[in-house]
Amino acid sequence: KAGVTQTPRYLIKTRGQQVTLSCSPISGHRSVSWYQQTPGQGLQFLFEYFSETQRNKGNFPGRFSGRQFSNSRSEMNVSTLELGDSALYLCASSPFDETQYFGPGTRLLVL
Amino acid sequence: QKEVEQNSGPLSVPEGAIASLNCTYSDRGSQSFFWYRQYSGKSPELIMFIYSNGDKEDGRFTAQLNKASQYVSLLIRDSQPSDSATYLCAVNRAGGGNKLTFGTGTQLKVEL
Repeated sequence: KAGVTQTPRYLIKTRGQQVTLSCSPISGHRSVSWYQQTPGQGLQFLFEYFSETQRNKGNFPGRFSGRQFSNSRSEMNVSTLELGDSALYLCASSPFDETQYFGPGTRLLVL
Repeated sequence: QKEVEQNSGPLSVPEGAIASLNCTYSDRGSQSFFWYRQYSGKSPELIMFIYSNGDKEDGRFTAQLNKASQYVSLLIRDSQPSDSATYLCAVNRAGGGNKLTFGTGTQLKVEL
């Protein structure tokens, strides 16, 4: 089976812009979660989508949003980018149990 | 107090030795526990998961869970240089869905 794919892999934006990241889960996986990884804060949970519904949410401001489509693909959006949003954004997909498999990530740099 | 705590290391072990990685968690509602390995510049890779008290073995890896002590560990037998990476402990709370809380990771160095 193909793994989790994320696009784009690298992105450079400027403060105030918005960005959309995409994630395609492993075939058959219906749960998609998003995480932010930074050197200072480590890996932090953003949100989880299951069957097109947000099932869990982390402690991030409303500038961070996401959605899931009927084919389980997911997107996350960050509006009004800040310098502190520079991070590796990881998507993870999960089958019926709780095991999560991560994609390669999107590295976002905000200038 | 952090929800999931790990010693940041680095933990250095000689090739062929047993590496022992430890993790404590504060939320007694945690029900499932995971170990991920992350090489520099790469994404986390799932190594082991454990739900019940006791030991779970998979090849050279053994995960140990003690819910009473809120402690989970990972043993790597016959450590190889390719095991050098950061090992992340993660926990998921009961209540449905996936919402992993990660520790900051322990850097393992396996020396020749």
